[in-house]
Amino acid sequence: QVQLVQSGAEVMQPGASVQISCKASGYSFTDYRIHWMRQAPGQGLQWLGIGDPLGVGTTYLRKLQDRLAMTTDTSTNTVYLELSSLRSEDTAVYYCAREGGGFLFDSWGQGTPVTVSS
Amino acid sequence: DIQMTQSPSSLSASVGDRVTITCRASQSISQYLHWYQQQPGKAPKLLIYAAVSLPSGVPSRFSGSGSGTDFTLTISSLQPEDFATYYCQQSDSIPVTFGPGTKVQIK
Repeated sequence: QVQLVQSGAEVMQPGASVQISCKASGYSFTDYRIHWMRQAPGQGLQWLGIGDPLGVGTTYLRKLQDRLAMTTDTSTNTVYLELSSLRSEDTAVYYCAREGGGFLFDSWGQGTPVTVSS
Repeated sequence: DIQMTQSPSSLSASVGDRVTITCRASQSISQYLHWYQQQPGKAPKLLIYAAVSLPSGVPSRFSGSGSGTDFTLTISSLQPEDFATYYCQQSDSIPVTFGPGTKVQIK
């Protein structure tokens, strides 16, 4: 079955960078794009961007594009999200999700909590 | 960016009740509208796609309707496992945007 397994919780200092991984299994990895979302405590979902499994094309949320990077390792079927210059407002649970076509998300990772605190 | 709103923001209902949640888009999105269910502490789960379609495994008590700017999620007979938060999401244009959520609580 389709599985997306994310890396564990992170506690980061303001100004630092965090990298989260999302390892896919149970399907042909290069046939589907992976998206990233986040959810601040008690808040709704915010789309962050698309990680192309072939690493050819990525699209990021405009207001975060200077701090976001999404990369892919096809040898391990893993997609990475890196967010730099962390601020307290980046504290959230970060999710990867598989796009089932047409920008709908049919499988999700379990979530990675990221806390930004001094 | 397309703004999504939902109403109500929360509701209290009993097992067996019929529940309706509304989602509105700030501009027409045809039927590029999907619904997700999120249990506390869990990842969202796709519930309805393309406004009216159920993924395999989703119980038939869930249904969706609408097109353009106004959409509805209906639970015909609420079950204990349905107490959760429900989000709508538009996929008409990037950035993809979600509604703020509707929390369904036990009365």
